[in-house]
Amino acid sequence: EVQLVQSGAEVKKPGESLKISCQGSGYSFSDYWVGWVRQMPGKGLEWMGVIHPGNSETRYSPSFQGQVTISVDKSINTAYLQWSGLKASDTAVYYCARRPSNWGYGFDSWGQGSLVTVSS
Amino acid sequence: SYELTQPASVSVSPGQTARITCSGNELPKQYSYWYQQKPGQAPLLVIFKDTERPSGIPERFSGSSSGTTVTLTISGVQAEDEADYYCQSADNSFPYPLYVFGAGTKVTVL
Repeated sequence: EVQLVQSGAEVKKPGESLKISCQGSGYSFSDYWVGWVRQMPGKGLEWMGVIHPGNSETRYSPSFQGQVTISVDKSINTAYLQWSGLKASDTAVYYCARRPSNWGYGFDSWGQGSLVTVSS
Repeated sequence: SYELTQPASVSVSPGQTARITCSGNELPKQYSYWYQQKPGQAPLLVIFKDTERPSGIPERFSGSSSGTTVTLTISGVQAEDEADYYCQSADNSFPYPLYVFGAGTKVTVL
């Protein structure tokens, strides 16, 4: 069974750094892109970027380029999303999702989401 | 930047048919995907590559494409289908396509 398991909820203060994780199992992790999607409270889905674990090729949405860093450690089947200086506006649920390489640009399996709350 | 346009809401009685449209200029050139999201849950893929249904998704969910518009159809709507539905695709940017989601459609079962 394909699973993407994300790290738990975080409460941070503005300016702090954070790295959340997404661990894949039940499939060949290196063969599928992993994407990150933001959902702010009461709002829709926003694509942030994707990474290919096989070669670490990373692609960012222009809206998030320079604001976050996406990385991967394929030895432990885990992708990461990190911030170096959080803002209150980063409060959201963040989802990771798997994108098959020969599938176009959609996501077939999603993590459970990681709630990030940034508040002073 | 590229946008996908969906209606904000659709209301339907149980057993009737709900149709959700999604419009975008690049849809003739890029596949579309549809996700169902219920409150407090992660999105669930219900249609991929315009018309294909993942295993485990009920047959009442179907997708179609015509020009710059794709449509998610839910035939014989059930109460459990009440959710937000998002279409998603990509543009044709260089050096790589940018992924885009529609704003979402809230389906209410009356």
